[in-house]
Amino acid sequence: GENVEQHPSTLSVQEGDSAVIKCTYSDSASNYFPWYKQELGKRPQLIIDIRSNVGEKKDQRIAVTLNKTAKHFSLHITETQPEDSAVYFCAASVTGANSKLTFGKGITLSVRP
Amino acid sequence: DTEVTQTPKHLVMGMTNKKSLKCEQHMGHRAMYWYKQKAKKPPELMFVYSYEKLSINESVPSRFSPECPNSSLLNLHLHALQPEDSALYLCASSQDLGGTRYTFGSGTRLTVV
Repeated sequence: GENVEQHPSTLSVQEGDSAVIKCTYSDSASNYFPWYKQELGKRPQLIIDIRSNVGEKKDQRIAVTLNKTAKHFSLHITETQPEDSAVYFCAASVTGANSKLTFGKGITLSVRP
Repeated sequence: DTEVTQTPKHLVMGMTNKKSLKCEQHMGHRAMYWYKQKAKKPPELMFVYSYEKLSINESVPSRFSPECPNSSLLNLHLHALQPEDSALYLCASSQDLGGTRYTFGSGTRLTVV
């Protein structure tokens, strides 16, 4: 089955700086890669996703890049704000019937004011 | 309505009790999921329903019994749980059967005493 690794487990940045979170996956058949943000005590929320036919996707301060050859994908957050502090989970799946989303272990991002 | 609603928000139950968790969505999503999340861990898949039929059971113990009475409603029946089953139980739905763009509910915080 799919294995998603996420490093590091914690990341601290100064407000206004950029943050980059990296994930690797094992199943070359995986073709869908979402990122979820989970604030303390709240539900995971989809913040951006990318499919394997695209190398990069951007949404305001957030971008995701995908390297299929190396089997890794990254979340980029620019101009970080204290409200970006949360746990971020990457995930991967093969879309289609009986699709199963496999999550990475999560990274705790702290943005220092 | 763009939300997944879960009730109750909190539940404390004894090991001999029977209780049910409820999940409801009115977005017309035909794929629905139960996940279990322990503190500081990623969500773990338990069950997948596609078109109200159980399509994936991730070898979950029989003390957890899912039910999908209709396309908007998903239940999780609990019986004879163990203290280690204490966790946040998350319901999610997906707009397509390929398993993309999950919307998670806020979860039920379950404590087994």
